[in-house]
Amino acid sequence: GAVVSQHPSRVICKSGTSVKIECRSLDFQATTMFWYRQFPKQSLMLMATSNEGSKATYEQGVEKDKFLINHASLTLSTLTVTSAHPEDSSFYICSTKSGHEQYFGPGTRLTVT
Amino acid sequence: GQQLNQSPQSMFIQEGEDVSMNCTSSSIFNTWLWYKQEPGEGPVLLIALYKAGELTSNGRLTAQFGITRKDSFLNISASIPSDVGIYFCAGDSGNTGKLIFGQGTTLQVKP
Repeated sequence: GAVVSQHPSRVICKSGTSVKIECRSLDFQATTMFWYRQFPKQSLMLMATSNEGSKATYEQGVEKDKFLINHASLTLSTLTVTSAHPEDSSFYICSTKSGHEQYFGPGTRLTVT
Repeated sequence: GQQLNQSPQSMFIQEGEDVSMNCTSSSIFNTWLWYKQEPGEGPVLLIALYKAGELTSNGRLTAQFGITRKDSFLNISASIPSDVGIYFCAGDSGNTGKLIFGQGTTLQVKP
């Protein structure tokens, strides 16, 4: 299956600041990547679909101006959480789609203080 | 919106026992995927199902895509301590890659 990496694995930031999370597809070119969020003891919820060379599409209820997604190359998508607040603290996980299968990165634990 | 109901929510079993968990939906899915997630890590794909009625195995794991395309089950035979984790089903209704996840089944195995 596809190999996906994320950086950083965990980050702590102060309320009001922005933080960028990187997602890399290591072994194939991904025109589409996905960003999910997982709160403690809950399931994964799709936030947005990242499309290489075009705008991301966001799921209902996800603020596009708060969660900025950039997919400038076939191997890298970034998620920037702007003006972070404590309620944005969560586990952010990206994935790539290979055929009908989907492979996930190791996740990024964001804590906003 | 679409939802997946996964059960049971948690299981505590003895090593060597078989395990079964399932997911149901009120709507049809074209793809069912089963994942395992360990604490602090991303989900790892276990089995992918593409056709109604399909039965697929991966070692001690067996999963089936329900005939109605609204359900799927995962069986683990002869459980071992390293099977501990949270198992999620996920469905894709339109082959878009937009996965909907079940609530997860937490499995604990007593040696």
